[in-house]
Amino acid sequence: DVVMTQTPLSLSVTPGQPASISCKSSQSLLHSDGKTYLFWYLQKSGQSPQFLMYEVSSRFSGVPDRFSGSGSGTDFTLKISRVEAEDVGVYYCMQGLHLPPTFGQGTKVEIK
Amino acid sequence: EVQLVESGGGLVQPGGSLRLSCAASGFTFSNHWMHWVRQAPGKGLVWVSRINTDGSTTNYADSVKGRFTISRDNAKNTLYLQMNSLRAEDTALYYCARDYIWNGVDYWGQGTLVSVSS
Repeated sequence: DVVMTQTPLSLSVTPGQPASISCKSSQSLLHSDGKTYLFWYLQKSGQSPQFLMYEVSSRFSGVPDRFSGSGSGTDFTLKISRVEAEDVGVYYCMQGLHLPPTFGQGTKVEIK
Repeated sequence: EVQLVESGGGLVQPGGSLRLSCAASGFTFSNHWMHWVRQAPGKGLVWVSRINTDGSTTNYADSVKGRFTISRDNAKNTLYLQMNSLRAEDTALYYCARDYIWNGVDYWGQGTLVSVSS
């Protein structure tokens, strides 16, 4: 199985400051169609996960533009340009290219 | 509005069985692959199974292969997960989720809790 490794596992951020989460995969997530099937989710406390990003850097409908994704191959990053109180929760990266799909361990983001 | 509503969870003894259901609405169910993802208490997300649009193709995590069966009824807009030979390690909140692209899922249900304990 493809192992997804996130760092850091927890992050405490001052509102208005940026935040960055790294995700590394044990195999390339680049498909022969040229697309990279790396996704990001946010799970707020007591809620189901919500879809943030697909294909590394495309924001899902309704996701604020303070969220951005970057990376290629096996190294990826989710950035929040200015953290807001509503951004707290656990962030997961996930690869969909290889079966079984696998998630990172999660990064808990809290507000200072 | 896309809605996914799971049901069928509960407390079961090791070795027992449960069938989970996921009622879908707000979209054309038969056009989408569907998934089950689980989350043990206090732990992360783990993919369990997926099924294609007409039910002819299914895939499973190794940990559930041979014990769980995913299926769907497109006429009823419902996804199922038949869970047999349950183990303590199957204890988790089970989510159904709609495929968006290449196993990335966009909408999730609220989850149904399965507890396996004697």
